[in-house]
Amino acid sequence: AQSVAQPEDQVNVAEGNPLTVKCTYSVSGNPYLFWYVQYPNRGLQFLLKYITGDNLVKGSYGFEAEFNKSQTSFHLKKPSALVSDSALYFCAVRDTENNFNKFYFGSGTKLNVKP
Amino acid sequence: GAVVSQHPSWVICKSGTSVKIECRSLDFQATTMFWYRQFPKQSLMLMATSNEGSKATYEQGVEKDKFLINHASLTLSTLTVTSAHPEDSSFYICSARDVQRGLNEQFFGPGTRLTVL
Repeated sequence: AQSVAQPEDQVNVAEGNPLTVKCTYSVSGNPYLFWYVQYPNRGLQFLLKYITGDNLVKGSYGFEAEFNKSQTSFHLKKPSALVSDSALYFCAVRDTENNFNKFYFGSGTKLNVKP
Repeated sequence: GAVVSQHPSWVICKSGTSVKIECRSLDFQATTMFWYRQFPKQSLMLMATSNEGSKATYEQGVEKDKFLINHASLTLSTLTVTSAHPEDSSFYICSARDVQRGLNEQFFGPGTRLTVL
C-alpha cells in the first residue's frame, strides 16, 4: 500500500526566511510523489512532482522539493517565504499498483508566514 | 489548459433531500475522474474513482447507494448525495486525469461546500 506522512500540522516562518514542509513516504515500487497547495475554500493547486530523474525538483511559485530515497522523504522547500505562501500544503503519492492511478494524500501542513 | 470546474460551488439543503454536484473538464478529455471528501482541517479522502462509460469504483466504507456517481461523457462526472443528512456536510472536491498528459497528474476542481440542515 502507498502512503505519505506529514509530521507537522503547522509550520510557522517569518517572511524572507527559508521554509521547509516535511513529507515522508512509504511505497511499493517506484515512488510518484506530488505537492499540492490549497487556499481556503478552494481546490488543490499543483506545485510540483517527482517521477524520475534529478532528485531536486523545481515547481511553481519558487517552490522546490528534494527526493531522498535513503530517507524516503520528499520535503518541500522555498529559499525565501512570502506572506502569500500561507496556505495548506499536501504531499501525495500516486498508486501504481492498479489501473486507476489513485492519489493518496498526507494529512496536510498549514504554513503560516508572518510579516 | 487543464481546467476543472465544479457546480455548484456551495449548496445548502434540507435533510432528506438529494443534491447533485457536477464536475467538468473544460479543455481536455478525462476518462477518469476522482471524487474526494474533505472535512475541516483534514486531508482529502478518496471516495470513488469514476470511469467514463462504466460503473464507479468506491473506496471501502463509502456507500454506493448514498453517493451516486455517473460519468456519462469524457468531460462530465456527477456526484449525487441521496437523502442527505447533516453528517454529509463537507467539502467535496473532484479531480480529473488528462489522458493526453498521461497518468502522472490530476487536475482539481475548486470544490463544492455542502451544508445539510
